[in-house]
Amino acid sequence: DAGVTQSPTHLIKTRGQQVTLRCSPKSGHDTVSWYQQALGQGPQFIFQYYEEEERQRGNFPDRFSGHQFPNYSSELNVNALLLGDSALYLCASRSISEINTGELFFGEGSRLTVL
Amino acid sequence: TQLLEQSPQFLSIQEGENLTVYCNSSSVFSSLQWYRQEPGEGPVLLVTVVTGGEVKKLKRLTFQFGDARKDSSLHITAAQPGDTGLYLCAGEGWAGTASKLTFGTGTRLQVTL
Repeated sequence: DAGVTQSPTHLIKTRGQQVTLRCSPKSGHDTVSWYQQALGQGPQFIFQYYEEEERQRGNFPDRFSGHQFPNYSSELNVNALLLGDSALYLCASRSISEINTGELFFGEGSRLTVL
Repeated sequence: TQLLEQSPQFLSIQEGENLTVYCNSSSVFSSLQWYRQEPGEGPVLLVTVVTGGEVKKLKRLTFQFGDARKDSSLHITAAQPGDTGLYLCAGEGWAGTASKLTFGTGTRLQVTL
């Protein structure tokens, strides 16, 4: 049973470029959340998707957008990259039927470096 | 803005020593979770505490949730090198069926032989 898988694992971009990160949730999970973890800090909530809609959003600018597909996988898009966007981007999934008790599973993350 | 502060930020101890990590917030959360994260990996859930005053034990790890559900502590007895990692507390908040975790600043623990 595969856990949460993310791709790519590492990538380097330059300022002003755009990036797309991908996430496949754990089997049986239908909600996906994205977090940004800067070096030496705890993760910060970006947004959560369920039924292909953004359900809750953290304090991130509109440059950060996402999408959830019918197979529950998700993408995180960041436009007009800034140096400060360099971070580990984590995807987490859970089943809506276990929303109160189910464990949130995290992927290993995508390490983005903006030069 | 809900904030979770952890202390200490860094801790370097020898094998066999005991330690306590604290997580404090000005806000009440519906539950509080503790995670451990190793380099190159995502956080892995250790425990969830829900009830004020709750104490949970996981082998050598003891977790406590404050009576007011604003603070928590993690105590490790007889630390081992395998305990090395980044320990994160996180409070869960809800908006309908949507939830989000607010993570603490993290405590980086190093246990040496």
